[in-house]
Amino acid sequence: AQKVTQAQTEISVVEKEDVTLDCVYETRDTTYYLFWYKQPPSGELVFLIRRNSFDEQNEISGRYSWNFQKSTSSFNFTITASQVVDSAVYFCALRGETSGSRLTFGEGTQLTVNP
Amino acid sequence: DAGVIQSPRHEVTEMGQEVTLRCKPISGHDYLFWYRQTMMRGLELLIYFNNNVPIDDSGMPEDRFSAKMPNASFSTLKIQPSEPRDSAVYFCASSFQLAVDTDTQYFGPGTRLTVL
Repeated sequence: AQKVTQAQTEISVVEKEDVTLDCVYETRDTTYYLFWYKQPPSGELVFLIRRNSFDEQNEISGRYSWNFQKSTSSFNFTITASQVVDSAVYFCALRGETSGSRLTFGEGTQLTVNP
Repeated sequence: DAGVIQSPRHEVTEMGQEVTLRCKPISGHDYLFWYRQTMMRGLELLIYFNNNVPIDDSGMPEDRFSAKMPNASFSTLKIQPSEPRDSAVYFCASSFQLAVDTDTQYFGPGTRLTVL
């Protein structure tokens, strides 16, 4: 069985602060894939990043960075110098190689960036 | 390229009525997914298709729900009869899975369904 836990239900920060969203996953598969999606107030789900279990390199994309650590089964997401437009619900998701194409989503973290 | 297209964007109906949600996947994608999002249950996978064939419908809540994919560019999710507890946002997503590591799902804008 796959499970994704996003323990932070809501986070509120002031603009320009750095913020880290936590994601912890459980799977028995040796090969698996991790994802982050953003859901802004408008409601659509926007793909942010995909990571393979065999690639533990951290990734940076502009103000966004991701820290993948297999030892702690975590795939955390950091926004540097947050902006009001970053306000959204962020979902972490997992697909294990034995789960077909089924994605398991976490419950999401509501991030509010205040001016 | 156009993303996943869903229609209608909003639907308000009365209990007992039939509701049909529509989805056009990204051209060339061979997988199509239907999800439901509610506050209580989060994002749930209802069903997914590969090359127009249903692969996993274990998430379909009950017989009132049915999904079809008559061709590679169109899918429907039908609820008959609808009930107030079906009120949710329904998302369609598609992906292209040439190899096992190219399976990112891209989501449509969703259909917000309200059943009165």
